[in-house]
Amino acid sequence: DVKVTQSSRYLVKRTGEKVFLECVQDMDHENMFWYRQDPGLGLRLIYFSYDVKMKEKGDIPEGYSVSREKKERFSLILESASTNQTSMYLCASSRASYNEQYFGPGTRLTVT
Amino acid sequence: AQKITQTQPGMFVQEKEAVTLDCTYDTSDPSYGLFWYKQPSSGEMIFLIYQGSYDQQNATEGRYSLNFQKARKSANLVISASQLGDSAMYFCAMRDVNTNAGKSTFGDGTTLTVKP
Repeated sequence: DVKVTQSSRYLVKRTGEKVFLECVQDMDHENMFWYRQDPGLGLRLIYFSYDVKMKEKGDIPEGYSVSREKKERFSLILESASTNQTSMYLCASSRASYNEQYFGPGTRLTVT
Repeated sequence: AQKITQTQPGMFVQEKEAVTLDCTYDTSDPSYGLFWYKQPSSGEMIFLIYQGSYDQQNATEGRYSLNFQKARKSANLVISASQLGDSAMYFCAMRDVNTNAGKSTFGDGTTLTVKP
């Protein structure tokens, strides 16, 4: 079974803090994704990566950056957290661009 | 541009009955994949079923089947013999093979409630 893990289920941070969200997949997938999910706004793509050290902006990249130094790990970074970044963050991976995605359990981030 | 429309914000079904969740899509790419995901209240998105744009037959996975009508650009999910554990949010999604660099577009979701 594909397993995608995220470093935390719940996280509380203060405004202005630097926040790291880690995601690890164990199936040697090429593609990895970061989404945020908000009530009424659905799933929105923040960034994705189709190879090590490669990244592409999604629909809402502002305020975020990513890092993919190893194939299995994709990190989302909030350089200076703000209250409007309070959300559920979902990481996903897929074998290729046309395959299904496998999601992690999500990180519910609260910025106060 | 890709677009997914799920017109049913909420649906109710009696346990053991079948239910159809609607999904229509729009894309200019002739090669695409259509997916359904389930998100229980725990939050984790679970892949259910896949249909490729060139597949001749409708996809089936256990109690899930995808009613694919290409000319109508619809990809409805049919759940047979509903169970209480099917209560969840369901998302339709698509990925273009040749455009959009493999990005997925998700619908707004349908909340399904199975009544005992």
